[in-house]
Amino acid sequence: DAEITQSPRHKITETGRQVTLACHQTWNHNNMFWYRQDLGHGLRLIHYSYGVQDTNKGEVSDGYSVSRSNTEDLPLTLESAASSQTSVYFCASSPSLKLQNTGELFFGEGSRLTVL
Amino acid sequence: AQSVTQLGSHVSVSEGALVLLRCNYSSSVPPYLFWYVQYPNQGLQLLLKYTSAATLVKGINGFEAEFKKSETSFHLTKPSAHMSDAAEYFCAVSRASGGYNKLIFGAGTRLAVHP
Repeated sequence: DAEITQSPRHKITETGRQVTLACHQTWNHNNMFWYRQDLGHGLRLIHYSYGVQDTNKGEVSDGYSVSRSNTEDLPLTLESAASSQTSVYFCASSPSLKLQNTGELFFGEGSRLTVL
Repeated sequence: AQSVTQLGSHVSVSEGALVLLRCNYSSSVPPYLFWYVQYPNQGLQLLLKYTSAATLVKGINGFEAEFKKSETSFHLTKPSAHMSDAAEYFCAVSRASGGYNKLIFGAGTRLAVHP
């Protein structure tokens, strides 16, 4: 079965370190997204991509970057981790999000990051 | 800008009671609306979606939601709660950007079901 997987599921790091969270999907979806989930804020969009070599900033992109070199993967990098980036991170993908064919998002199980 | 507001961060019901989770949206054009559920330590999964067809939308696990344009609401209901319905529920609206949609989520409502 097709799926979307995130790794690591749990990570503890120190302030200032670079961290990369992996996201891999086997749905062959063009559209991929990274969200962070914080109490009281729901899910907030960090970055998204509509295809290979395409990346876009979401509403909370400061301190994060992504790259899309193939269809399957969208790694999220925290250049210099800060305590404010302690959160649960979710990757999602979708086959189509055009206005005339709105689709659903398929989510990974999340990566819990703690920055000390 | 399109957004959603979920009224009540926590809702508690008895098993067998009606479940009502509230969602209001702001949108200058008819929106696409979604409800997602998140069980503990899992990702979100789609419960149901409104895409301008029928105003009463039925989803999985006995949930349904009614789109009311006059009230700008898309409340989620279930006639009889089960213990297994305990989870966090998110309302979401699609927002157009460059001809494509992306989902904007509400803050979530945690549903507790007690015996």
